[in-house]
Amino acid sequence: KNEVEQSPQNLTAQEGEFITINCSYSVGISALHWLQQHPGGGIVSLFMLSSGKKKHGRLIATINIQEKHSSLHITASHPRDSAVYICAVRDFGNEKLTFGTGTRLTIIP
Amino acid sequence: DTGVSQNPRHKITKRGQNVTFRCDPISEHNRLYWYRQTLGQGPEFLTYFQNEAQLEKSRLLSDRFSAERPKGSFSTLEIQRTEQGDSAMYLCASSLELAGGYYNEQFFGPGTRLTVL
Repeated sequence: KNEVEQSPQNLTAQEGEFITINCSYSVGISALHWLQQHPGGGIVSLFMLSSGKKKHGRLIATINIQEKHSSLHITASHPRDSAVYICAVRDFGNEKLTFGTGTRLTIIP
Repeated sequence: DTGVSQNPRHKITKRGQNVTFRCDPISEHNRLYWYRQTLGQGPEFLTYFQNEAQLEKSRLLSDRFSAERPKGSFSTLEIQRTEQGDSAMYLCASSLELAGGYYNEQFFGPGTRLTVL
């Protein structure tokens, strides 16, 4: 079973700061997701990646397959970025996702 | 299509009662997943369907839980004789899996929050 760990568990930053959230996993994967969850529960998929780097607006996701590690970066953070960010991985030959416990991000104006 | 929908959004029930949740996936999606999320934790896989066939069930899905997707469209998750430990957010997701095993991302619904008193 893949073990997914995220760090930090909680992160508070000032508006405008550069944010980095880390995710590591124990077994090789076919894909990694970064998800955003706001209070109330709904989950939004931010990125799905299996190699390299993806960028969408102020969000950047990178993955290092050899090191079994991914990072989510937020540039010019804004209070509306406040949410829980969850990393989830899909193992080879497995249909289900294994999730990390999430990183609670709070951006202070 | 407005995405994955779930009903109800909130359910409060007394211990021992049966509850049923519904998930309507994105219309062309052939895969449907159920997850459970307890407070402060990431979601955990419960089960998934390919069209109407239930292909995998987690050991978290005890005999009191049953899921169906009778026509390969919407799905229901029923919990019988609810226990306080069943209190959680139940999330549904759907995806379109293409021939050849090409994997597409999963789109999540808003969840159903269950509170068992």
